[in-house]
Amino acid sequence: EAQVTQNPRYLITVTGKKLTVTCSQNMNHEYMSWYRQDPGLGLRQIYYSMNVEVTDKGDVPEGYKVSRKEKRNFPLILESPSPNQTSLYFCASKKGQTLYTGELFFGEGSRLTVL
Amino acid sequence: EDQVTQSPEALRLQEGESSSLNCSYTVSGLRGLFWYRQDPGKGPEFLFTLYSAGEEKEKERLKATLTKKESFLHITAPKPEDSATYLCAVQANRDDKIIFGKGTRLHILP
Repeated sequence: EAQVTQNPRYLITVTGKKLTVTCSQNMNHEYMSWYRQDPGLGLRQIYYSMNVEVTDKGDVPEGYKVSRKEKRNFPLILESPSPNQTSLYFCASKKGQTLYTGELFFGEGSRLTVL
Repeated sequence: EDQVTQSPEALRLQEGESSSLNCSYTVSGLRGLFWYRQDPGKGPEFLFTLYSAGEEKEKERLKATLTKKESFLHITAPKPEDSATYLCAVQANRDDKIIFGKGTRLHILP
């Protein structure tokens, strides 16, 4: 089954404790992206990647890091989480190279709470 | 700056009562406009891609249309299972960012 898998689905952590949210897709997609979704603000893009070793900032990259060492994986790293990073995070992927407008496939989401 | 504005924020309809959701966009060179559906606690699911003014796409009770400034998602004779948040997004010609609007929460009453 074609899917985007995120882990963990739920996490409560404390300020400053480094954490990683993993994302894996089994569709051999070139493009992967992270979004955060907050009430009243909608989905906002954090980072995206066009292919292995290629990453670009979205609209809200501050406080986040990503890496794309393998095509299927795109982990989101919070080096020193703060309460304003409490949010619902979505990973998404799609096939195609630059400027391809194909369908984005989303994961089920990871709800993160930073105390 | 690219922007996507959706209206209304929320809409309650009776079953069978047709209506339209609006997505206004500002983008320097539209590559594609997208509609997604999101159920509570789930990731968005793709509905349509529109590329140029005048284009229309249909799927069951949904029809999406596009002009140079906005897109409409028409819902004909909706059913309770159409209740969801509908998201509009755009991609510009110059890069691979995909920008989403805040969505319209649609509630269909039986």
